[in-house]
Amino acid sequence: SQQGEEDPQALSIQEGENATMNCSYKTSINNLQWYRQNSGRGLVHLILIRSNEREKHSGRLRVTLDTSKKSSSLLITASRAADTASYFCATVIQGAQKLVFGQGTRLTINP
Amino acid sequence: GAGVSQSPRYKVAKRGQDVALRCDPISGHVSLFWYQQALGQGPEFLTYFQNEAQLDKSGLPSDRFFAERPEGSVSTLKIQRTQQEDSAVYLCASSPWTGDWSQPQHFGDGTRLSIL
Repeated sequence: SQQGEEDPQALSIQEGENATMNCSYKTSINNLQWYRQNSGRGLVHLILIRSNEREKHSGRLRVTLDTSKKSSSLLITASRAADTASYFCATVIQGAQKLVFGQGTRLTINP
Repeated sequence: GAGVSQSPRYKVAKRGQDVALRCDPISGHVSLFWYQQALGQGPEFLTYFQNEAQLDKSGLPSDRFFAERPEGSVSTLKIQRTQQEDSAVYLCASSPWTGDWSQPQHFGDGTRLSIL
């Protein structure tokens, strides 16, 4: 079973627009990570936010974490065609030594 | 430097055959993970090694699945008497161990297994 649920399952926007993806999870976590997966490839780590952090930035990425609502969001600003991929949130559950992934958001950037 | 390497990239087997999937982690990475990814889904944890020790195998679906990492580097995931529901992409990931779970995992491109 998977811990997280991503919303929306699929998102299609125009190049240059911002893309927002949301992730909800069920149990207490140590940290939450976001990964990108291009078609037919492995996952690439994007950003990690710890349970005591509320917001983090990396380049065009902005991640927020609300532990009271057990949710996180990933914002990609000024999207590019190369951002087309599936995006997954993954949590490290307290007391468990593994990443638990959500089902992902498929993002399509139209040129 | 070289990333995580998995072989073969594609494997087709008949139901009932045994298969072996190989993972070469990043040199020096202590932690190694196997995941199973069904089409359109996120990866699901199978098993975890720290060096040669298999510390967690709670995600292995059945006793037909077996993983090893005898020298603490290369790992092999073996599936015996394959069944159609074993068809999936099998991903391997590695990371350095720092004493907590804040290190990102580095993934290979996976092995796509199809059982006919």
